[in-house]
Amino acid sequence: GIQVEQSPPDLILQEGANSTLRCNFSDSVNNLQWFHQNPWGQLINLFYIPSGTKQNGRLSATTVATERYSLLYISSSQTTDSGVYFCAVVVDYKLSFGAGTTVTVRA
Amino acid sequence: DAGITQSPRHKVTETGTPVTLRCHQTENHRYMYWYRQDPGHGLRLIHYSYGVKDTDKGEVSDGYSVSRSKTEDFLLTLESATSSQTSVYFCAISDRQAPGAFFGQGTRLTVV
Repeated sequence: GIQVEQSPPDLILQEGANSTLRCNFSDSVNNLQWFHQNPWGQLINLFYIPSGTKQNGRLSATTVATERYSLLYISSSQTTDSGVYFCAVVVDYKLSFGAGTTVTVRA
Repeated sequence: DAGITQSPRHKVTETGTPVTLRCHQTENHRYMYWYRQDPGHGLRLIHYSYGVKDTDKGEVSDGYSVSRSKTEDFLLTLESATSSQTSVYFCAISDRQAPGAFFGQGTRLTVV
């Protein structure tokens, strides 16, 4: 099956810092999503981004499908950004996840 | 928020007993998924459904079965629960007409 790799596995940020999370995938995909799992375990849909660039407030994402990677940018990080960020890809009907990046934002 | 309800939210059961988890959606989405989440493993796909009575195995399907007799309900059954099935279980839905997948709040299952 398709391989989804996320880096870095862990990230510690000072409040106000910027960061980039990366997702590489091993094969062509139908679409790609980014999720945030908050400290209470809830999975929040951040971006549906099979290609191109999207922005939502302090977060933005870029997917370059031809090169099989996606990037999630967090700008001016806040403590509420803490949690685990997952990249997930769809091939046919199957939604497969990377292992996630755990982000800790310190005040 | 997408209308997805998982039940129960928490369950403690004994080894060897059957357990059924329910995922109910009100969005009329075609695709439904069951995942388990364990420390160090992220979310792993157990089974998924691409329509009523149409299901297929994911990467960690051993010990689990599913059923989907109507669009809105997707049931996950542990025929004989084992301690290795202690986990948090998430249901997700998606549809080609609505971009993105959406998750339920999860079920924490403990097998003792």
